[in-house]
Amino acid sequence: AQSVTQPDIHITVSEGASLELRCNYSYGATPYLFWYVQSPGQGLQLLLKYFSGDTLVQGIKGFEAEFKRSQSSFNLRKPSVHWSDAAEYFCAVGGVFNYGGSQGNLIFGKGTKLSVKP
Amino acid sequence: EAGVVQSPRYKIIEKKQPVAFWCNPISGHNTLYWYRQNLGQGPELLIRYENEEAVDDSQLPKDRFSAERLKGVDSTLKIQPAELGDSAVYLCASSFVNRERSRTEAFFGQGTRLTVV
Repeated sequence: AQSVTQPDIHITVSEGASLELRCNYSYGATPYLFWYVQSPGQGLQLLLKYFSGDTLVQGIKGFEAEFKRSQSSFNLRKPSVHWSDAAEYFCAVGGVFNYGGSQGNLIFGKGTKLSVKP
Repeated sequence: EAGVVQSPRYKIIEKKQPVAFWCNPISGHNTLYWYRQNLGQGPELLIRYENEEAVDDSQLPKDRFSAERLKGVDSTLKIQPAELGDSAVYLCASSFVNRERSRTEAFFGQGTRLTVV
């Protein structure tokens, strides 16, 4: 079954510390992988995406993620966290769409809430 | 460039009442999605449109939910009658899917927070 697992429900880090949010997926085809961020009361903003090519992808706000096919993982990292990074982070997997079916639809993890200590 | 626009932002209704949500996708995006996000969960797809056709509505509870995307642009999601368990955030998103069926990322609106009392 296709799924996304974010094992950490809530993470607290100190401002300036490094961050890694974990994401593991199960997908039967070539995965397209995404990280979204959601601030309270807001929609989802795309941080970065992986479609193909270089397995280390750079995103906005200083985030990066590394696709590891052997581990079915797509962990999100940031070297130095800012207080404004406090939000909820969602990993999602999709693929090539078929027509008239559910293949390719984005499947989201349950999210990891990030708190930042001063 | 305007993003995905949803209205209303918030809605409180009594159970058994109808409710409707509206979405205007990014110009040129042929694919539109409605997601439901329950508290503490990730979004779950309800329906996906390509142009004006609902190509995947397998997760839409069809006894009370309906959706339409007239002219392949704006879309409306309706619940009638609403139940307490429908309280959630309803997110609309859009993207472009080309002839080769590859994709770009989905852009999300701010969502409509529905509370059923």
